[in-house]
Amino acid sequence: DTGVSQDPRHKITKRGQNVTFRCDPISEHNRLYWYRQTLGQGPEFLTYFQNEAQLEKSRLLSDRFSAERPKGSFSTLEIQRTEQGDSAMYLCASSFGTGGMSSYEQYFGPGTRLTVT
Amino acid sequence: SQQGEEDPQALSIQEGENATMNCSYKTSINNLQWYRQNSGRGLVHLILIRSNEREKHSGRLRVTLDTSKKSSSLLITASRAADTASYFCATEVGSGSARQLTFGSGTQLTVLP
Repeated sequence: DTGVSQDPRHKITKRGQNVTFRCDPISEHNRLYWYRQTLGQGPEFLTYFQNEAQLEKSRLLSDRFSAERPKGSFSTLEIQRTEQGDSAMYLCASSFGTGGMSSYEQYFGPGTRLTVT
Repeated sequence: SQQGEEDPQALSIQEGENATMNCSYKTSINNLQWYRQNSGRGLVHLILIRSNEREKHSGRLRVTLDTSKKSSSLLITASRAADTASYFCATEVGSGSARQLTFGSGTQLTVLP
């Protein structure tokens, strides 16, 4: 399967614990995105990388959230000191895009569903 | 905040009928994209229309874009039960490397057999 993969698919954690999610993009894609989606809403942009550089961060991304993409390959999203409001589906997507050119379509992974109890 | 807003929020039609969903947005865009989401396959890209395009077709899908009205529509012709899903419009804004995709809250389409 050459699509975007995410791990784990489900995570249940207690409030205050730290969690880390992983995303493996389509190999030839240089852009990687993280989104958060709650029930009945569309995905909300969190952050994106072009290669290994984190170029954009949403105001939604509090100091408890951090994302990395070492060597421009897979990415991790860590949430520290989780809160119940962090419960959501966390989606990763990848695409190809260069410099000033408009992006192409994004390919989404299956998501990681986080439940904070 | 979500720039794109879909209308209607929910739509129920009979198999074989056409389904039309609308999307309105607030600021200038680079492109507008439509995605489908169902529990079986997650979010899937359907079609992308750039700001200098007015209409685009892909199979049974037809998308229009009116930048003067800041609106787009997605038409699905000859609908099938398998088209049952949530449909989202997403607008890309920004320039250079500072680009991001903003999704609407979606239209839930139910196609009855």
